[in-house]
Amino acid sequence: DAGITQSPRHKVTETGTPVTLRCHQTENHRYMYWYRQDPGHGLRLIHYSYGVKDTDKGEVSDGYSVSRSKTEDFLLTLESATSSQTSVYFCAISESRATEAFFGQGTRLTVV
Amino acid sequence: KNEVEQSPQNLTAQEGEFITINCSYSVGISALHWLQQHPGGGIVSLFMLSSGKKKHGRLIATINIQEKHSSLHITASHPRDSAVYICAVSSNTGNQFYFGTGTSLTVIP
Repeated sequence: DAGITQSPRHKVTETGTPVTLRCHQTENHRYMYWYRQDPGHGLRLIHYSYGVKDTDKGEVSDGYSVSRSKTEDFLLTLESATSSQTSVYFCAISESRATEAFFGQGTRLTVV
Repeated sequence: KNEVEQSPQNLTAQEGEFITINCSYSVGISALHWLQQHPGGGIVSLFMLSSGKKKHGRLIATINIQEKHSSLHITASHPRDSAVYICAVSSNTGNQFYFGTGTSLTVIP
């Protein structure tokens, strides 16, 4: 299995609080992605990174920010959590856009 | 607008049946991926292909680049094949994947 770990695996938080999810990889892959998965929508890209300090927005980036200060870590921050951000969040890594992607186990976030 | 469309959305089969899941896409791609997601579980990559056909055990994936279409076949289906199967494509412009909404497969003993 590819070395990719998400933390925490489950979190319940209150509306308006900041939340940070962590994705850690041991594969030295260049690309890292954050997706959210919601019923009826499939996986939707929030943000991605193509190198240290190089990030870009995906289709559902509003309300989220990311940081990548090291190759192995990609952090997703909800600055002020809202109930619409209740979802399952997946991190993925790949060597390039044309190679296989490996997924973390997911983080189930509930905003109450 | 969905760049990737899958059919059917839901599929129930008897154990031993031959299963086909279809995927059509509308963007230029560098590769197409078939993923498997078990209930409550993570996502596993089954295949990545950019042409032709690949086989792994009872699973076969094919792609027709001209028609922008791919199929995932499962021969001699088994209850442990019950999962959501997701088609995804790597865009040949930009740096991201596009995902279908998945096909939920249930194989009944």
